[in-house]
Amino acid sequence: QKEVEQNSGPLSVPEGAIASLNCTYSDRGSQSFFWYRQYSGKSPELIMFIYSNGDKEDGRFTAQLNKASQYVSLLIRDSQPSDSATYLCAVNLRYNTDKLIFGTGTRLQVFP
Amino acid sequence: DVKVTQSSRYLVKRTGEKVFLECVQDMDHENMFWYRQDPGLGLRLIYFSYDVKMKEKGDIPEGYSVSREKKERFSLILESASTNQTSMYLCASSLLAGGNNEQFFGPGTRLTVL
Repeated sequence: QKEVEQNSGPLSVPEGAIASLNCTYSDRGSQSFFWYRQYSGKSPELIMFIYSNGDKEDGRFTAQLNKASQYVSLLIRDSQPSDSATYLCAVNLRYNTDKLIFGTGTRLQVFP
Repeated sequence: DVKVTQSSRYLVKRTGEKVFLECVQDMDHENMFWYRQDPGLGLRLIYFSYDVKMKEKGDIPEGYSVSREKKERFSLILESASTNQTSMYLCASSLLAGGNNEQFFGPGTRLTVL
């Protein structure tokens, strides 16, 4: 079993819709969870991180964490074509290190 | 703004050559990382460093070594390049150890080993 799993996609949503991206992880001791966005040919950039159960909102983005079920999700409201990218989920296994385990990413396509 | 730079965007080397990939960050970050990114395999950690002259193996260190002689610079060394090391190499840095620190990535070096 992979440590961090994501559906590779592509996930296609129309402009203005909510895009829902999911990620599951295997290590119950995982401490914090990150969502990175990577445009084609570019480097990953951080969207947001979450470490407590529940929801965390930042503009059009909401991260949701459920440690009991070992999943984390990213919701993008009012999706725009400029949101089309690969979204990487990353998990920090231990609090005293910045070592991250990345999923393989979900490709999101937002069509006009 | 944090800036992470890598010495080359594209590099072509021959099998058996020694290859140096350089990474420099300008924000006094403690931690630096080297990843490789391959289709279907995602980002995989090769080595990371949490202080000058300190290093730890990541998930796929075989065939690689690293050097961190100065805080701002982290080098990845392929002692004898092989075709299976053809990949995109990404360097990253983060401020401190602590679990919730953003990693800032460089632009990447696409290495082809012939």
